[in-house]
Amino acid sequence: QVQLVESGGGVVQPGRSLRLSCVASGFTFSRHEMHWVRQAPGKGLQYMAFISYDGSRKMYADSVRGRFTVSRDNVKNTLFLQMDSLRSEDTAVYYCGRDLTDTYSIDYWGPGTLVTVSS
Amino acid sequence: QSALTQPPSASGSPGQSVTISCTGTSSDVGAYNYVSWYQQHPGKVPKLMIYEVTKRPSGVPDRFSGSKSGNTASLTVSGLQAEDEADYYCSSFAGSNIGWLFGGGTKLTVL
Repeated sequence: QVQLVESGGGVVQPGRSLRLSCVASGFTFSRHEMHWVRQAPGKGLQYMAFISYDGSRKMYADSVRGRFTVSRDNVKNTLFLQMDSLRSEDTAVYYCGRDLTDTYSIDYWGPGTLVTVSS
Repeated sequence: QSALTQPPSASGSPGQSVTISCTGTSSDVGAYNYVSWYQQHPGKVPKLMIYEVTKRPSGVPDRFSGSKSGNTASLTVSGLQAEDEADYYCSSFAGSNIGWLFGGGTKLTVL
């Protein structure tokens, strides 16, 4: 069955970097566009980033453009989110999600990984 | 990059119908038929309920339906059941420069 598992979260100081990973299984990873979405504690969902099948097309939310970089490795079935210059407002659970082929919607979500930015 | 506007709360009794609105602009909801709705129970991962405005993924009950008029999309839950009590979020594609927007979420209470 389809599985997405994020890792790489933790506590990090403001201004530092963190790299999240999302390992996919149970489907042909290279045939799906992928998303990152975050949710601050007690808050709503916030869109972060999108990457196309082959990584040639990427989109970012304004709040993270220039600081976050999405990438993928279709050989290792892994999605990444490189987060630089972290701020306290980046504290959230980060979810990776699979696009329901060409629908721009997320049909499978990982369990999420918590990132806490604090000094 | 403003979020889509949803009412913070909605409620209905078992068996009734409730509609949740999601208001955007002519650059997002009004421009694309890429509106999705997600259900999230406390402590759980979001679940896709509606995609491309009106379509239901396999396994989602037909009590859930979506629609759109102009810059406002709507999710209707008919025949409310206790398990429908959850937070609901709308999302819309907003173009390549912005990507996607989410609504602030609506807490649906089954009375």
